[in-house]
Amino acid sequence: EPEVTQTPSHQVTQMGQEVILRCVPISNHLYFYWYRQILGQKVEFLVSFYNNEISEKSEIFDDQFSVERPDGSNFTLKIRSTKLEDSAMYFCASSRDIGRNQPQHFGDGTRLSIL
Amino acid sequence: ILNVEQSPQSLHVQEGDSTNFTCSFPSSNFYALHWYRWETAKSPEALFVMTLNGDEKKKGRISATLNTKEGYSYLYIKGSQPEDSATYLCAPPGAAGNKLTFGGGTRVLVKP
Repeated sequence: EPEVTQTPSHQVTQMGQEVILRCVPISNHLYFYWYRQILGQKVEFLVSFYNNEISEKSEIFDDQFSVERPDGSNFTLKIRSTKLEDSAMYFCASSRDIGRNQPQHFGDGTRLSIL
Repeated sequence: ILNVEQSPQSLHVQEGDSTNFTCSFPSSNFYALHWYRWETAKSPEALFVMTLNGDEKKKGRISATLNTKEGYSYLYIKGSQPEDSATYLCAPPGAAGNKLTFGGGTRVLVKP
């Protein structure tokens, strides 16, 4: 069964550095998402992306964050000037269609640790 | 901001027993409710998408019901097995369908 893949599985970065988290969505999916879960908290929506544009973003997704689909297969989340509070599990997801009854398919996540 | 609550936070179940737990969400502006099963170190796996009041969905020994008027959904596990051990998450989508707002999850541990 096709799946969403994320790399790396664990990223350790010094505070203030930039980090890029990578995702390969399911190949025929058109809608892409990033979520994160800070330890002990709920999974939170960050951003959704369609047709090379952000379609919705949360208040968390400020100028420190950006997303890109650099080619036909990858979807990346860039975090600039990382802070300690950016430490979290970051999940990529994709869906074939948009709509409230469309399931989103998640990757295994990247654990980001900021030191 | 949607307030989505799940209870209990965790529960221990003896193998073979059945169990159920709750997801509460705002009943106004309801669009749908997604249920996910999330095993440790794996990706959250979509279980059900429920849309209509009174909906009942089933996948193997797992089933779910939906009450949109009062704003809750129950997830049932019949004859729990150790492989059912996971965190079960519910999430209503927003109006545009992009954004899932997750509850805190119910962590189920099935003891042999």
